[in-house]
Amino acid sequence: DSGVTQTPKHLITATGQRVTLRCSPRSGDLSVYWYQQSLDQGLQFLIQYYNGEERAKGNILERFSAQQFPDLHSELNLSSLELGDSALYFCASSLAGGGYTFGSGTRLTVV
Amino acid sequence: DAKTTQPTSMDCAEGRAANLPCNHSTISGNEYVYWYRQIHSQGPQYIIHGLKNNETNEMASLIITEDRKSSTLILPHATLRDTAVYYCIVRGGNTGGFKTIFGAGTRLFVKA
Repeated sequence: DSGVTQTPKHLITATGQRVTLRCSPRSGDLSVYWYQQSLDQGLQFLIQYYNGEERAKGNILERFSAQQFPDLHSELNLSSLELGDSALYFCASSLAGGGYTFGSGTRLTVV
Repeated sequence: DAKTTQPTSMDCAEGRAANLPCNHSTISGNEYVYWYRQIHSQGPQYIIHGLKNNETNEMASLIITEDRKSSTLILPHATLRDTAVYYCIVRGGNTGGFKTIFGAGTRLFVKA
């Protein structure tokens, strides 16, 4: 157990739907990062939050949004889902900068 | 964050040392070198990191060249369970925004 908790572990939904992925960072970590990994692809950086504020944005689609709450957990919202959004979504946390601790991911399947 | 370059894949015999190279020629003075690995579809796992001195822990050793433009991760006695994708990244240690790019990494195959 890395200390970073992601729920749900698996999610199957239909095209056009909206889903929310949740991440609880490791205790004491203030930064949360979201990554997308499509089949046999590298980790694509989506977005970073630090203590509730957005700090960095990657190639995140406009249909996707995220936020970090006062208790530091984060949610990634994916809307108008397309087949191509099927992927593993990883959350990672860190104290400030420094090394990441990754969660075990949420596998999203859009059918 | 600086960009890194790694070989696409490498083979290693079980029990032998696996040496995984990484080039990071644009690394800046306050950026650390980090190594992670990802086994199948699990979450990436931290291995080791360093700034300019060589580092060793229970998993691996990290050798950073004097000019810091490249580094090598050494798994001293590779086992079949070390078969994974290994990512080398560089990043700073402040609270600024990080668009850390993991790239494709090196796919290490440990063979019996």
